[in-house]
Amino acid sequence: AQSVTQLDSQVPVFEEAPVELRCNYSSSVSVYLFWYVQYPNQGLQLLLKYLSGSTLVKGINGFEAEFNKSQTSFHLRKPSVHISDTAEYFCAVSYGGATNKLIFGTGTLLAVQP
Amino acid sequence: EAQVTQNPRYLITVTGKKLTVTCSQNMNHEYMSWYRQDPGLGLRQIYYSMNVEVTDKGDVPEGYKVSRKEKRNFPLILESPSPNQTSLYFCASSGPGNTIYFGEGSWLTVV
Repeated sequence: AQSVTQLDSQVPVFEEAPVELRCNYSSSVSVYLFWYVQYPNQGLQLLLKYLSGSTLVKGINGFEAEFNKSQTSFHLRKPSVHISDTAEYFCAVSYGGATNKLIFGTGTLLAVQP
Repeated sequence: EAQVTQNPRYLITVTGKKLTVTCSQNMNHEYMSWYRQDPGLGLRQIYYSMNVEVTDKGDVPEGYKVSRKEKRNFPLILESPSPNQTSLYFCASSGPGNTIYFGEGSWLTVV
């Protein structure tokens, strides 16, 4: 079955430190990959997406992610986090090239401490 | 401005009292869907619609109904809500450009 795994339910980090949020998906011939952010009591905001081309994708707010086909991963990174980055982050995948349905991971809460 | 609008945003209701959560998009998208978000489970698709009068079940359709009479609207209907349907609900639409737009979410509590 198609699935997305975010192994870390919570990642605590100090302000200005680097962070990596991990995402792995079940293997498929063709995938589109997304990261969404959800700030407290708000909706979902698209951070970045990978559809094709360069495996390093840059998104908003200084985040980037790298598509690694051999490891079926799409980890999210930021070199220096701010308090305002505290939020829940969801990795999502659409399989077979169809972007209409997303399979979501269970989310990772990024908790940035001063 | 591209928008997906859901109403109500917050609702507390009682078991068995029918309710409808409306969803409207202004992007002329053909595809619309509903998700529910639960702690530790992420978001799961409830129903989707490929176009007007075309709907199909997602991963967790039990207890829900939908309709797609117009392209812009895709209401979610809970005929007899139960406490296990307490959740945060998101409507989404997508079209050309491989981007899915989400609404702001609807917090539903069934007591």
